[in-house]
Amino acid sequence: GAGVSQSPSNKVTEKGKDVELRCDPISGHTALYWYRQSLGQGLEFLIYFQGNSAPDKSGLPSDRFSAERTGGSVSTLTIQRTQQEDSAVYLCASSLDYGGLAKNIQYFGAGTRLSVL
Amino acid sequence: DAKTTQPPSMDCAEGRAANLPCNHSTISGNEYVYWYRQIHSQGPQYIIHGLKNNETNEMASLIITEDRKSSTLILPHATLRDTAVYYCIVRSDSSYKLIFGSGTRLLVRP
Repeated sequence: GAGVSQSPSNKVTEKGKDVELRCDPISGHTALYWYRQSLGQGLEFLIYFQGNSAPDKSGLPSDRFSAERTGGSVSTLTIQRTQQEDSAVYLCASSLDYGGLAKNIQYFGAGTRLSVL
Repeated sequence: DAKTTQPPSMDCAEGRAANLPCNHSTISGNEYVYWYRQIHSQGPQYIIHGLKNNETNEMASLIITEDRKSSTLILPHATLRDTAVYYCIVRSDSSYKLIFGSGTRLLVRP
């Protein structure tokens, strides 16, 4: 079946502009996660959705970053007034939600490569 | 979640087994060991996970020591396509997030 789909695959923007990144999770997956991978760095957690609500936003680096999820499916990560340090690959993952969180396998999309000039 | 330690790089010959070690000496009883890999320019790919018993699937085997302080991911017959960064992650039931370390960069040689 279809995996996690992210769009666009690449985005080049100018400093100060707003960008929207989209994630389509695997059908039926109730949990959705956003991560960021900066050049030469490891992946860092940004936000977790359970259905349409986000019980854990602890990884969002600043108030310029926000995310929403509608209909328990598609999610959008928005970065306002982009800065050069926002340049990174933004990865989305989704999972089913069994009783034990550790059993919930996260499946990742290919990511959106954001370049802020 | 417990911290993990992995060698920064390894290599193996194509067709041979690749054995990737991971130390997680502070792991607690309800924490699972997960392995993911990331091939260049792709998102991380789930490989396998386990709690205390050894596990095997179509991709790999996971051997967890009896004291659970370390584990080994085994790719039984490595191919060139297995060249990737391999991440060992410890995750508890109370944690939503995967915490990725630096991983092991595996190079499979022809």
